[in-house]
Amino acid sequence: EDQVTQSPEALRLQEGESSSLNCSYTVSGLRGLFWYRQDPGKGPEFLFTLYSAGEEKEKERLKATLTKKESFLHITAPKPEDSATYLCAVQDSNYQLIWGAGTKLIIKP
Amino acid sequence: EAQVTQNPRYLITVTGKKLTVTCSQNMNHEYMSWYRQDPGLGLRQIYYSMNVEVTDKGDVPEGYKVSRKEKRNFPLILESPSPNQTSLYFCASSLLAGAYEQYFGPGTRLTVT
Repeated sequence: EDQVTQSPEALRLQEGESSSLNCSYTVSGLRGLFWYRQDPGKGPEFLFTLYSAGEEKEKERLKATLTKKESFLHITAPKPEDSATYLCAVQDSNYQLIWGAGTKLIIKP
Repeated sequence: EAQVTQNPRYLITVTGKKLTVTCSQNMNHEYMSWYRQDPGLGLRQIYYSMNVEVTDKGDVPEGYKVSRKEKRNFPLILESPSPNQTSLYFCASSLLAGAYEQYFGPGTRLTVT
């Protein structure tokens, strides 16, 4: 059965303290892995799509990487405005999207 | 401005009273989808539509109906709401059904008493 697990559930960091969020997945025929950011009371906002193992994408302080079993979202020198819930989703060969429960990231000034 | 709109944003209703949540996108997207989001469970897909007049069940379709008569609109219908349908609902659209980014609406918070 396709499954996506995100860890940790919550992460508290000091401003400037770099870290990584994990998204582990099992899926039949990966079409793509997505990262989204969700602010409280708002809809998810697209960050990245990764298609194959070894691929990396960057945007400002965020960098997403992909292996055959997991993806990491690295955040470098985070700022308070990076506080949000980060969601991971994978799309299988039937175009079905499976979402993780998210990691709530809190950056303290 | 490219966007997905949903109405209403907040709704409190009673068990059994039919309701419709509207969703509209102005990006000429083929694919539209409805999700519900509950604490600790992540986003779960209710229904999706690959194109006009084409809809299909997602993971949790029971108690919901949808229609896609026009490309831009994809309303979610609860014929007889129950308290277990209390949730945060999101409509989303993407260019096509493949590995394309989805654009989400602002959400509708529904409470069924």
